[in-house]
Amino acid sequence: QQPVQSPQAVILREGEDAVINCSSSKALYSVHWYRQKHGEAPVFLMILLKGGEQKGHEKISASFNEKKQQSSLYLTASQLSYSGTYFCGTEGGANSGYALNFGKGTSLLVTP
Amino acid sequence: GAGVSQSPSNKVTEKGKDVELRCDPISGHTALYWYRQSLGQGLEFLIYFQGNSAPDKSGLPSDRFSAERTGGSVSTLTIQRTQQEDSAVYLCASTPTNRAAEAFFGQGTRLTVV
Repeated sequence: QQPVQSPQAVILREGEDAVINCSSSKALYSVHWYRQKHGEAPVFLMILLKGGEQKGHEKISASFNEKKQQSSLYLTASQLSYSGTYFCGTEGGANSGYALNFGKGTSLLVTP
Repeated sequence: GAGVSQSPSNKVTEKGKDVELRCDPISGHTALYWYRQSLGQGLEFLIYFQGNSAPDKSGLPSDRFSAERTGGSVSTLTIQRTQQEDSAVYLCASTPTNRAAEAFFGQGTRLTVV
């Protein structure tokens, strides 16, 4: 039930863009995105509900393709503060359980 | 207001001992989760409490692990006969509703089994 994230790690220069993907083998009700900095608790970025909507958060946005059970997180014009580990979390549909399950994370490092 | 509080923040125990980890969720939050995070690993789901419903225990790795949530608030995760592979950071999170709501995480308990 754990979603699969790719890539496992990304190294960017400041100002570059990145895409992090999340996919699930089960029908999804929602997809969550969180960022965790070293030694800190994960912090919420956004939630996407089924319906294929796209949400934005400054220069960080995400999309959710319900039919493909996939979500992508887009980081544009990356800043040093974007460094951290990004987790997608998924909530299943009525027959898949409601618990919020997370992927193994994508480590993002933005360099000057 | 106060966030999710976990205690202790660090716990070192001898192999074979039992440990209890505590989580105080945000007041009024109906859902509570426990996750385990090993070094360099993701957030491994352990257990999910939602209101008065039966908890989803599907993530508990063995019968040495158990959790309870009293009065719909404080939760305790108990690990019996600890093993070295239990060493990890145990994170608690709470959400205000049962679906599609932001999860607020505590700072975690770092458990080291020696």
